[in-house]
Amino acid sequence: QVQLQESGPGLVKPSGTLSLICTVSGGSVSHDNYYWSWIRQPPGKGLEWIGSIHYNGSTDYNTSLKRRLTISIDTSKNKFSLKVTSVTSADAAVYYCARDVNPGSGFDCWGQGTLVTVSS
Amino acid sequence: QSVLTQPPSASGTPGQRVTISCSGNSSNIGNNYVYWYQQLPGTAPKLLMYRNNQRPSGIPDRFSGSKSGTSASLAISGLRSEDEADYYCSAWDDSLSGRVFGGGTKLTVL
Repeated sequence: QVQLQESGPGLVKPSGTLSLICTVSGGSVSHDNYYWSWIRQPPGKGLEWIGSIHYNGSTDYNTSLKRRLTISIDTSKNKFSLKVTSVTSADAAVYYCARDVNPGSGFDCWGQGTLVTVSS
Repeated sequence: QSVLTQPPSASGTPGQRVTISCSGNSSNIGNNYVYWYQQLPGTAPKLLMYRNNQRPSGIPDRFSGSKSGTSASLAISGLRSEDEADYYCSAWDDSLSGRVFGGGTKLTVL
């Protein structure tokens, strides 16, 4: 049973960089059909897809966030990570990592989520 | 201002059948699979439906999905108190080259 766990600072300063890691256990990130994704949810609001990465390094990013985003993967450590630069209060959210199974099987496994607050 | 449009709320009494709609366009729902997620209060979302109408293992057959043109629906029959949650639709959007979500529908079991 694969499990995902987000980790990282819960508080980021405005204009700073948000950095999160998702650790995958119970399965390998190195699978052709899996895309490893980040999704966020501002308090009291809906879900927003941030981006995804395949173990071969190919990425898809939300076009509205793309210029501030970096998603990377470390197959040797079975982890993938998210960096968002120049954060503002609009980036405050619960950040989830999830597994996207292709083709067409959706985000079938999610982490519990981690709250990131943006404040000085 | 979500790309996919859902009603903000829905309600029903135990045992009733409720449906939640999701409207998009030819770039997303019209040309791609629709997914549904259930988010119970204080928890991560859970995959409820994939490829428009397929249930993952463990999802009861009280839940069903359908798609027609640029719209999709999630139906819940035999409504139960534990179905009270937020429901989100999602699809790939060819124009945006990314996943999009609906704004979510809060289902209340009266």
